[in-house]
Parts: sequence; structure tokens; C-alpha cells
Amino acid sequence: QKEVEQDPGPLSVPEGAIVSLNCTYSNSAFQYFMWYRQYSRKGPELLMYTYSSGNKEDGRFTAQVDKSSKYISLFIRDSQPSDSATYLCAMSRILTGGGNKLTFGTGTQLKVEL
Amino acid sequence: NAGVTQTPKFRVLKTGQSMTLLCAQDMNHEYMYWYRQDPGMGLRLIHYSVGEGTTAKGEVPDGYNVSRLKKQNFLLGLESAAPSQTSVYFCASSSPLAGGTGANVLTFGAGSRLTVL
Repeated sequence: QKEVEQDPGPLSVPEGAIVSLNCTYSNSAFQYFMWYRQYSRKGPELLMYTYSSGNKEDGRFTAQVDKSSKYISLFIRDSQPSDSATYLCAMSRILTGGGNKLTFGTGTQLKVEL
Repeated sequence: NAGVTQTPKFRVLKTGQSMTLLCAQDMNHEYMYWYRQDPGMGLRLIHYSVGEGTTAKGEVPDGYNVSRLKKQNFLLGLESAAPSQTSVYFCASSSPLAGGTGANVLTFGAGSRLTVL
């Protein structure tokens, strides 16, 4: 069983829809939680990170963490064609000596259609 | 501000050949990482470094070596390439966020696409 599970999609929605992306995890040692966005043939870029259970909002994006259920979500409101990308969830542990080891989900491919 | 720069962007190798991927960051980050990304597998950590002159193994280190002689550079070497090493390789760097939680935000390069025939 993978430490982080993420539905690969693809997910296709009309412009303006609310998108819900989810990941589950099995390791209680994960300390904080991130969402990265990756456009085709580009590197991942950080969207949001959260350290505790609850919600965190940034513009059209809301990240939600439920540590008791080991479940995280990313909601995108008023989705735009420019949101079309692969969304990667990532969970982090602190490494010995510093730095963080991120364990990534496989990514969900999202397409927002006009 | 270039961030994280990877060279080369593309490379085709024959089985058994060697090569080095170069990663350079201009953000004065302490920590650097090499990941590989394969379909259905996500990003997996190959090696990482917590400072100049240090390296450590990640979850898939076999067949790779790394060096961090200068703080801004992190090199990934393949001594004898195999078809299983066909992948997209991403370098990343990070420093701790303010607040003392130990949290880091990784900044990734654009990737190096390697094909081994």
C-alpha cells in the first residue's frame, strides 16, 4: 500500500465549476501537507501548505486537512481554463539534519473546459 | 532571479553510458534534492543534501551518485545508465520557513528529461 493515495483522473469540468481534489495517507508521522500544481513539461510549483487540521483559504483555493481521517482536499472555486494542470498532494516529514522529505501522490490531471 | 536551473533539459543515452545532471540554485538555500518522476509512480526522492559537502540517500538511490561541492550546486550522476533510468528528473531546493516549525517549502526546477536506449 502506498503511503499517499491520489486518484489520477483525468477530471474534466466546465469553466466556473467547483473542483474537489483529494488524497488519503497512511503515515501519522507526516507533519504538514502541501498542494503543488504542475503544468505539462514544467516543474511542480507550490500552491498551498497547511500544518494542522482545518481549512486554509487563498483566493479561489481552499486546502482542507482532516488528520483524524488522514484525508486532505483542495477545492478550486470558479475554475478557469488556466487551472488545467496536474495537481499533486504532498506530505512532509523533517529529515535528520534538516530539510524535508516530501512524499507525493501520483497527481490528478484536471482539465477545465470553456 | 532564476530560482532552480537544471541542465541539460533533454538527453538520450545508450545503455552503459554515463552522464551528469547539473542543478544550480541562486536562493542561498541550504537543502537540495533530486527526484525522479515516472507515470503512475509520482515523484520519488533519489538523494538529498542538507548542506555543502553533505549527501544522503533517498528512497530510490541505486544506480545514482551525487555531489554537493558548492552550496549552490547539486550534481546527479549516472555511472552506467540503464533503460529503467528513463525518467524526468527534478531538482529542488529549500530553506526552513519562519516560525521554527521545521517546515520547508521546496522550489523545483523545470526538469531534465532522460531517455536511455
